[in-house]
Amino acid sequence: SSELTQDPAVSVALGQTVRITCQGDSLRSYYASWYQQKPGQAPVLVIYGKNNRPSGIPDRFSGSSSGNTASLTITGAQAEDEADYYCNSRDSSGNHLMVFGGGTKLTVL
Amino acid sequence: EVQLVESGGGLVQPGGSLRLSCAASGFTFSSYAMSWVRQAPGKGLEWVSAISGSGGSTYYADSVKGRFTISRDNSKNTLYLQMNSLRAEDTAVYYCAKGPDSSGGDAFDIWGQGTMVTVSS
Repeated sequence: SSELTQDPAVSVALGQTVRITCQGDSLRSYYASWYQQKPGQAPVLVIYGKNNRPSGIPDRFSGSSSGNTASLTITGAQAEDEADYYCNSRDSSGNHLMVFGGGTKLTVL
Repeated sequence: EVQLVESGGGLVQPGGSLRLSCAASGFTFSSYAMSWVRQAPGKGLEWVSAISGSGGSTYYADSVKGRFTISRDNSKNTLYLQMNSLRAEDTAVYYCAKGPDSSGGDAFDIWGQGTMVTVSS
């Protein structure tokens, strides 16, 4: 099975822009989805497909992809954006398995 | 309101069995693939298993293949996970999630609140 690699921790000053990345071979073939998880809560989908936001997700969240790397960008980070972020995609083996990245802890300073 | 509600978690001894359930509401359950995703204490998310909308196709992570069985009852809008031969490393919060949806970039767009499974003697 394939793997998705994320930086364990990233920090950003309040109001600034931060990019969280996810690397993996499967991203050359499949889109990444991004999830926000706050302590004690279930994950919430924030970005899916090419760059789509579910209803209720602020437009400061955006997604992009190049080669084997997908990125989640938060433009104008807010205190409430402090959370763990996970990427996920279909496994590159083509056998319908799914894979998650290890997660990135975002700290808003 | 679209909602997923898990139940069935608890404390079980190594080698034991447990069946999780996930009750769905607010969407046409039979039209969507469903999955189980788990999270060990202090760790990241791990996809466990998925099942097609009809129930005719099932998929498993290598870590649970041969021990866990995913199923669904579309007449009851309910997803299940039968867990056998449980190990300490299966200890986790188990989430039910709607997806992956190929029309939505293979995302999991709705999650339940999770149910805790603890495997310990």
